[in-house]
Amino acid sequence: EPEVTQTPSHQVTQMGQEVILRCVPISNHLYFYWYRQILGQKVEFLVSFYNNEISEKSEIFDDQFSVERPDGSNFTLKIRSTKLEDSAMYFCASNIRLEQFFGPGTRLTVL
Amino acid sequence: KNEVEQSPQNLTAQEGEFITINCSYSVGISALHWLQQHPGGGIVSLFMLSSGKKKHGRLIATINIQEKHSSLHITASHPRDSAVYICAVKAETSGSRLTFGEGTQLTVNP
Repeated sequence: EPEVTQTPSHQVTQMGQEVILRCVPISNHLYFYWYRQILGQKVEFLVSFYNNEISEKSEIFDDQFSVERPDGSNFTLKIRSTKLEDSAMYFCASNIRLEQFFGPGTRLTVL
Repeated sequence: KNEVEQSPQNLTAQEGEFITINCSYSVGISALHWLQQHPGGGIVSLFMLSSGKKKHGRLIATINIQEKHSSLHITASHPRDSAVYICAVKAETSGSRLTFGEGTQLTVNP
């Protein structure tokens, strides 16, 4: 069964460093999302992406964040200069109709 | 006030018990998801509902659009059902994003 994959599963970085989180959505899906979950908190929407552009973003998704679909299969989330409060689980999701399918997540730890 | 409220926050049951987790929401929606999150953190979609009722194995999900309420039931619960169960809605006015509840931590003891 097709699934969303994410790499790496765990990323540790120093404050101020740039990180890129990678996702491979399900191949025929058209809509792509990034969500994050800070430890002990609920999942929060970051950004949605359709037709090679951002379709919606939350107030969390500030200038430090960017998304890209560089090659038709990967979907990336870049954090330019990480802060301690960026430590969280980041989930990618994709869908073609209403039901969203989630990847296993990348745990980002900022030291 | 959160747009999506779940109850209870924590639930402990004995193996074999019938379990109900509730979700109330305050906005018009086009779909509601029930998701399962295991301790490792990964999220699995259990159901997507826009009306009525769905059943998959021992899991049943219902939704009442007029009352803005959904329930997730687990029959004959088992310790492997222990996880966080999350309700998430796609609001009619918020594009395709999902808005999540806080989750219900379910522990099923043998």
